[in-house]
Amino acid sequence: RKEVEQDPGPFNVPEGATVAFNCTYSNSASQSFFWYRQDCRKEPKLLMSVYSSGNEDGRFTAQLNRASQYISLLIRDSKLSDSATYLCVVHDMRFGAGTRLTVKP
Amino acid sequence: DAGVIQSPRHEVTEMGQEVTLRCKPISGHDYLFWYRQTMMRGLELLIYFNNNVPIDDSGMPEDRFSAKMPNASFSTLKIQPSEPRDSAVYFCASSLDVDNEQFFGPGTRLTVL
Repeated sequence: RKEVEQDPGPFNVPEGATVAFNCTYSNSASQSFFWYRQDCRKEPKLLMSVYSSGNEDGRFTAQLNRASQYISLLIRDSKLSDSATYLCVVHDMRFGAGTRLTVKP
Repeated sequence: DAGVIQSPRHEVTEMGQEVTLRCKPISGHDYLFWYRQTMMRGLELLIYFNNNVPIDDSGMPEDRFSAKMPNASFSTLKIQPSEPRDSAVYFCASSLDVDNEQFFGPGTRLTVL
């Protein structure tokens, strides 16, 4: 079993849709969790950290479920500019394979 | 700050040649990471340094790969001899702490023919 597994995708959604990604991890001792965004042929960049109580940043909501060992990312009212690959990261430095999102007009 | 700087941005070489990738982390960051990204395997951690000292090199594929960090502002990843299966994008990243946000460089796209 991989240490970090993500929804395989790709996700193709219309503008304005709500989309959710999940990411499971195997190391129950993991303490830090993040979502990164990677545009085509670019480097990954931090989208948001994931806190135990859940956190929201505008249209983006991240949640952590320690009991089931997964984190999630919810994007509301998706925009064309949200099209990218979303990578979950579970420390120590274990990246998921990424979920590709395409938002269409 | 200019961010993490990597060079070269693109490298095309022939099998058997030595390849050296370079990285300059963000000033003040104590941690430096080397990653490799391929379609098949995603983003893999190769090695990371803390205050110029290698902490975990368990991700280094084999003896053909070596990494050094002679000072706080410079690191190299060397592949000798290179093989076609080493073709990938190699990213360098730095951070203030091991659990903090990592800032990635633009990557080096390596093609080994």
